[in-house]
Amino acid sequence: DTAVSQTPKYLVTQMGNDKSIKCEQNLGHDTMYWYKQDSKKFLKIMFSYNNKELIINETVPNRFSPKSPDKAHLNLHINSLELGDSAVYFCASSQVASGGYEQYFGPGTRLTVT
Amino acid sequence: GESVGLHLPTLSVQEGDNSIINCAYSNSASDYFIWYKQESGKGPQFIIDIRSNMDKRQGQRVTVLLNKTVKHLSLQIAATQPGDSAVYFCAENIRNTGKLIFGQGTTLQVKP
Repeated sequence: DTAVSQTPKYLVTQMGNDKSIKCEQNLGHDTMYWYKQDSKKFLKIMFSYNNKELIINETVPNRFSPKSPDKAHLNLHINSLELGDSAVYFCASSQVASGGYEQYFGPGTRLTVT
Repeated sequence: GESVGLHLPTLSVQEGDNSIINCAYSNSASDYFIWYKQESGKGPQFIIDIRSNMDKRQGQRVTVLLNKTVKHLSLQIAATQPGDSAVYFCAENIRNTGKLIFGQGTTLQVKP
C-alpha cells in the first residue's frame, strides 16, 4: 500500500508553460507538505497545509500555488515555468501541524524545464 | 539563521564496519530531530528520531546520539551493509512550527 503518492513521476516541459503535480496520502494525516530538492540534494520546505488550511508558506515565488481540496490531497500548480524550477518536488504528510512527529515522504516528481 | 549541517559530504566504509554520520544544528529552539535515508530515485525514508529530552535512542542496527550542549547529532550504523548505501539527512524540528529544516546530506558508500 502506498502511503504518500505523487503524480507524475517525471515531468518535462518548456519554459513558460503551466503544470501541476498531484499528491495523495492514505495515512489519515492532517498535515501535508511540499518540499523542493535541488541538484545538490538540498531539501527545503515550500508549503504546508493542515486540514486544508495553509500554515507554512516559505519564500516561494507566487508562481507556485498549492491547493488542498481535502486533507488527503495537496496539489502544486506552477505557472510560467522557469529553468530554475527544475528540481525534484516531494510531497510529505504528518500527524500534526506543530511538528514533533515523523514526516512521510512521497516518491518525488522530477521536473525538468527546458 | 536556521541551518543544519553535516560534517562530511561523503563517507566510505567497508562492509561490516560501523558507520558514524555527524550533523551540527544551530537552532536552540529545536525540540525534535530525525534521520532520513534517501536512496537514488526515491523519497526520504525515516530511520530514527529523538526528542530533545533524550540524549540517546537505539533502533535496529542504528543509534542516534544528541548532544544539546554543542548542538550535535550523530547516527551510528552497526555492521554496515551494501543496502545501507544512500544519502543520509538529519533534520531538526523548530518547536511548535512543524517546520523541518534539513541538513545537506552525507553520501554513505559501502565497499564490499
